[in-house]
Amino acid sequence: EVQLLESGGGLVQPGGSLRLSCAASGFTFSSYAMSWVRQAPGKGLEWVSALSVSGATTYYADSVKGRFTISRDSSKNTLYLQMNSLRAEDTAVYYCAKDKNPSTSWYYFDCWGQGTLVTVSS
Amino acid sequence: DIQMTQSPSSLSASVGDRVTITCQASQGISNYLNWYQQKPGKAPKLLIYGAFNLETGVPSRFSGSGSGTDFTFTISSLQPEDIATYYCQHYDSLPRTFGGGTKVEIK
Repeated sequence: EVQLLESGGGLVQPGGSLRLSCAASGFTFSSYAMSWVRQAPGKGLEWVSALSVSGATTYYADSVKGRFTISRDSSKNTLYLQMNSLRAEDTAVYYCAKDKNPSTSWYYFDCWGQGTLVTVSS
Repeated sequence: DIQMTQSPSSLSASVGDRVTITCQASQGISNYLNWYQQKPGKAPKLLIYGAFNLETGVPSRFSGSGSGTDFTFTISSLQPEDIATYYCQHYDSLPRTFGGGTKVEIK
């Protein structure tokens, strides 16, 4: 069964840092592009960051550029999102998601994790 | 960035009703359009990709159509388990963006 399991969320003060992890299982992790999508409380979905299959191409939303870093460790089947200089507006549930097809980049997301809540507050 | 405008933002319908949601892109996106269902407290679920392709395991009462800038998502016969918020998402260019969502409730 294809599964994604996020961890690492929590309460952090403005200006602080967190590293989210997304553990993948049930598929060949190294063959799929991956994304992070967030959802602020009561709001819609925002595509925040993404990583190509090779890892050579990344995407960051303007709202997080320069503060967040996406990476993957294929030996551990894990996707990461390093979040620095956190702001109140980063408060959201963060989901990792995989592309449906291998070798495509960020077309449609057929598997999502359960989400991890990040709360930025003093 | 391509803006995705969904309408309505919410709707209330009876079990068995036909439900239609529209999604308009701010510029042409061919058929690079997906639909997701999100139930309260849960992650989104892919229902339709490439405008009209039904994801594996998704009931056939769900369907999608459209091309260019105007797209439609239809539930042919609303069921109680379809209560959710539905989102469209394009993949024509970067960044991928989602519509604002349509909350579907039972009347």
